[in-house]
Amino acid sequence: EPEVTQTPSHQVTQMGQEVILRCVPISNHLYFYWYRQILGQKVEFLVSFYNNEISEKSEIFDDQFSVERPDGSNFTLKIRSTKLEDSAMYFCASSYWPGPSYEQYFGPGTRLTVT
Amino acid sequence: DAKTTQPPSMDCAEGRAANLPCNHSTISGNEYVYWYRQIHSQGPQYIIHGLKNNETNEMASLIITEDRKSSTLILPHATLRDTAVYYCIVTGGATNKLIFGTGTLLAVQP
Repeated sequence: EPEVTQTPSHQVTQMGQEVILRCVPISNHLYFYWYRQILGQKVEFLVSFYNNEISEKSEIFDDQFSVERPDGSNFTLKIRSTKLEDSAMYFCASSYWPGPSYEQYFGPGTRLTVT
Repeated sequence: DAKTTQPPSMDCAEGRAANLPCNHSTISGNEYVYWYRQIHSQGPQYIIHGLKNNETNEMASLIITEDRKSSTLILPHATLRDTAVYYCIVTGGATNKLIFGTGTLLAVQP
């Protein structure tokens, strides 16, 4: 069964460093998302991406964050200058088509630890 | 904020049906009801979704009331591996982002 994959599974970085989290969405999916979950808190929407453009973003997704689809298979989240409060699980998701009738499938997540 | 209300926790005996309720009294006509679950800190797992009609797949059944203000997720034969946090999410209209609440922690007991 096709699945979303994410690398690395755990990333440790120092405050102020740039970090790139990588995702490979399901191959025929066209709509991509990033969510995050701070330990013990709710899963939060960050950004959605379709047709090489950001479709929607939350207030969390400020200028320190960016997303990119560098090739036909990868989808990345970059945090330019990490802060302690960026420590969280980051989940990538994809859906076949934009629109709420199409379910989103989540990857296993990348645990980001900022020290 | 989440548009749904769920009990914080429920217990279920292994092998019995688990019925998880959700209230979404402000749902709009073009919004869908989705159910996801999360086991420990794993990625949320899609279970089922529906608009108006009841739905069934290999994992679960979704019963939506006629007025669409509430729904029930049914796991027909719960196993220990079904212990997880279950999220009921309403999405649609101008967005398809998922807004997660705190969900229901389902504990399946042996």
